[in-house]
Amino acid sequence: DAGVTQSPTHLIKTRGQQVTLRCSPKSGHDTVSWYQQALGQGPQFIFQYYEEEERQRGNFPDRFSGHQFPNYSSELNVNALLLGDSALYLCASSPGGYSNQPQHFGDGTRLSIL
Amino acid sequence: LAKTTQPISMDSYEGQEVNITCSHNNIATNDYITWYQQFPSQGPRFIIQGYKTKVTNEVASLFIPADRKSSTLSLPRVSLSDTAVYYCLGLAAGNKLTFGGGTRVLVKP
Repeated sequence: DAGVTQSPTHLIKTRGQQVTLRCSPKSGHDTVSWYQQALGQGPQFIFQYYEEEERQRGNFPDRFSGHQFPNYSSELNVNALLLGDSALYLCASSPGGYSNQPQHFGDGTRLSIL
Repeated sequence: LAKTTQPISMDSYEGQEVNITCSHNNIATNDYITWYQQFPSQGPRFIIQGYKTKVTNEVASLFIPADRKSSTLSLPRVSLSDTAVYYCLGLAAGNKLTFGGGTRVLVKP
């Protein structure tokens, strides 16, 4: 049973570019959340998708957008990249929409902005 | 979601029991207390979750007093591979996870 998978594992971009990160949730999970983790800090919530819609959003600018597909996989898009966007981007999935089931994380995409 | 407070770091030795206490004074009635473990360059891994009293699984125990204003994660007989950052969070149904800085546990030989 595959867990949460993310691609790519590493990515290097330059300022002003755009990036798309991908996530496949754990089998049986329909809710996907995205987090940004800067070096030495805890993950910060970006947004959550359920039933192909953004259900909740953290304190991130509109440059960060996402999408969820009918198979529950998800993409995170970041436009006009800044140096400060360098971080580990984590995807987490959980079952059942509004359940208390714990979120399961992938190992992230390491994004470096030059 | 509840704001949690936990020690920044803890040192221990192989074979010892490690107890990490987390304060969550304003935890909501419906919040569950959830703990994650994270190794460098990996995503957080779910350890244990509970609502009240005591929960035990194959890797840890979680003690939650009746007032639910704190919780203690207990790791029995730690090994070097338990060196990691441990996060305590409050989880409400369907809600986002709000991570703090976590507790850096260093297990020494």
